[in-house]
Amino acid sequence: AQSVSQHNHHVILSEAASLELGCNYSYGGTVNLFWYVQYPGQHLQLLLKYFSGDPLVKGIKGFEAEFIKSKFSFNLRKPSVQWSDTAEYFCAVLDGGYNKLIFGAGTRLAVHP
Amino acid sequence: KAGVTQTPRYLIKTRGQQVTLSCSPISGHRSVSWYQQTPGQGLQFLFEYFSETQRNKGNFPGRFSGRQFSNSRSEMNVSTLELGDSALYLCASSLMPGGIVGNTEAFFGQGTRLTVV
Repeated sequence: AQSVSQHNHHVILSEAASLELGCNYSYGGTVNLFWYVQYPGQHLQLLLKYFSGDPLVKGIKGFEAEFIKSKFSFNLRKPSVQWSDTAEYFCAVLDGGYNKLIFGAGTRLAVHP
Repeated sequence: KAGVTQTPRYLIKTRGQQVTLSCSPISGHRSVSWYQQTPGQGLQFLFEYFSETQRNKGNFPGRFSGRQFSNSRSEMNVSTLELGDSALYLCASSLMPGGIVGNTEAFFGQGTRLTVV
């Protein structure tokens, strides 16, 4: 069965630092990949998604992710974080022919001013 | 347009009781999925409905059930509540199921926080 691993459970950064959050999935083949963000007290929001095409995907709020098929990875990046990026970030993969998202455990990001 | 609406936002129930949660998807969306979010287990898939049919079910006991109505609104029910059922229950709506159209995006509601005491 498909699974998703997020390597960092807690990340603490200062404003303007660069961010990279790791995500690996287990199944090779065609995959649909997502990064969601959950700000404190708010609902899950889609940051970006990869379905096909250019492996470098740009999302909202300056986030981007790179799909590397050979490494089964879909890492999230942002060159300069802001205090408002403090949130929990989830990597997810769509499971086959169903509308079933398989989520990683999440990474809590705290950005200090 | 209005987003995914879940009601109620908060619930406190006693062990052994049952509970029904409601989800109204985005207008025009026909696929609804439910997830349970807990600090220990993270986000776990409960079930997916499309055209009033359950298409897929996660690894949860039979106490967890759901249904979808003709207007795509969905309800989930948990019977004989246990302390471990305390969680944030999230509903997500999509235009179509991923397997039919492919490449669909799920939009999440704010969730219902259920506390079982």
